[in-house]
Amino acid sequence: DTGVSQDPRHKITKRGQNVTFRCDPISEHNRLYWYRQTLGQGPEFLTYFQNEAQLEKSRLLSDRFSAERPKGSFSTLEIQRTEQGDSAMYLCASSLGAAGELFFGEGSRLTVL
Amino acid sequence: GDSVTQMEGPVTLSEEAFLTINCTYTATGYPSLFWYVQYPGEGLQLLLKATKADDKGSNKGFEATYRKETTSFHLEKGSVQVSDSAVYFCALSDPLSRQLTFGSGTQLTVLP
Repeated sequence: DTGVSQDPRHKITKRGQNVTFRCDPISEHNRLYWYRQTLGQGPEFLTYFQNEAQLEKSRLLSDRFSAERPKGSFSTLEIQRTEQGDSAMYLCASSLGAAGELFFGEGSRLTVL
Repeated sequence: GDSVTQMEGPVTLSEEAFLTINCTYTATGYPSLFWYVQYPGEGLQLLLKATKADDKGSNKGFEATYRKETTSFHLEKGSVQVSDSAVYFCALSDPLSRQLTFGSGTQLTVLP
């Protein structure tokens, strides 16, 4: 399978713990996006990378959130000191260039107890 | 800021019925418009898109026309199938960053 893959698919954690999600984009795609989707809502933009450079961050991305794409390939999204409001599906997407179609992964579902 | 308002669901139709899901948008500049579909247990998939006014996007029997004068991009299909059951999201993209702004989604269920 050469699509966008995300890991883990499900994560249950206790409030206050740190969690990290990984996204492996389609191999030749230079753009990588993170979105968050809560129940009954559409995805909301969090941040995006062009190669290893993080070019834009949403106001939704508080200081507890950090994303990296160190070698311009896979990306990680870390949430520190999780809160119940962080419970959501975290989606990753990648594209070839600015005009390329976005391909989404299946998402990582986070439940904070 | 940019926003997308989408017809609320859920929508339940019988097979072969006509489908319309309304979508209107607010944006500065000239966004591209999209419909994405999410089948159960799968990731979001691009269904169709239109990049400028009066463009019609089409795929798998679905169509939507970019109407600048009414800021709308309504999704239509003449005859739905059970396999069309999914959640449909209308979205627009910022011309520079290409980040997408999504509507809240419409759950469609098609009964045999």
